[in-house]
Amino acid sequence: KAGVTQTPRYLIKTRGQQVTLSCSPISGHRSVSWYQQTPGQGLQFLFEYFSETQRNKGNFPGRFSGRQFSNSRSEMNVSTLELGDSALYLCASSSREDTEAFFGQGTRLTVV
Amino acid sequence: EDQVTQSPEALRLQEGESSSLNCSYTVSGLRGLFWYRQDPGKGPEFLFTLYSAGEEKEKERLKATLTKKESFLHITAPKPEDSATYLCAVQAWGSNYQLIWGAGTKLIIKP
Repeated sequence: KAGVTQTPRYLIKTRGQQVTLSCSPISGHRSVSWYQQTPGQGLQFLFEYFSETQRNKGNFPGRFSGRQFSNSRSEMNVSTLELGDSALYLCASSSREDTEAFFGQGTRLTVV
Repeated sequence: EDQVTQSPEALRLQEGESSSLNCSYTVSGLRGLFWYRQDPGKGPEFLFTLYSAGEEKEKERLKATLTKKESFLHITAPKPEDSATYLCAVQAWGSNYQLIWGAGTKLIIKP
């Protein structure tokens, strides 16, 4: 059974640009969550989608947005990139709302 | 306010030296508690789910236990490959299934 797949694995962008990250969940999983992780910081929750609807949202500015498609694949977009957006972005999927989440390998975003 | 605190922040052990990591939580009603292991630059790897006080789960050298206020991750006779950051997360009733994460414990096992 294939795991959670995130693309791309590495990305370098310039300040002011925008970026789109992709996440393909485990087959059959309908919940997809996104997290930001920076050195020394824990997992910072961005948002969660379930059956194409955003169910939860963390405390991030509106520059961070996401969506989920009918096949449960999800994308997150960051506009007007700032240096502080450099981080490991993680996607996790779960089959039901109250079961364990499985993470992808992450996308390492560097903003220069 | 719902909160999860992990201690210690970092723990250095000799190979074979058993110890425990702590995850204490304050939530209105616990739905589930999750343990993960994370290696540098990688996504967290799921280890255990615990749902009720008194529950225990084991996997190789790891054993997770749960009380009404905290969870312990016991590591017995650890090996260098057990070195990682261990993360704890809780899900509370009425939270719309959102997970609350601890900051993690960085475990280093020296050969």
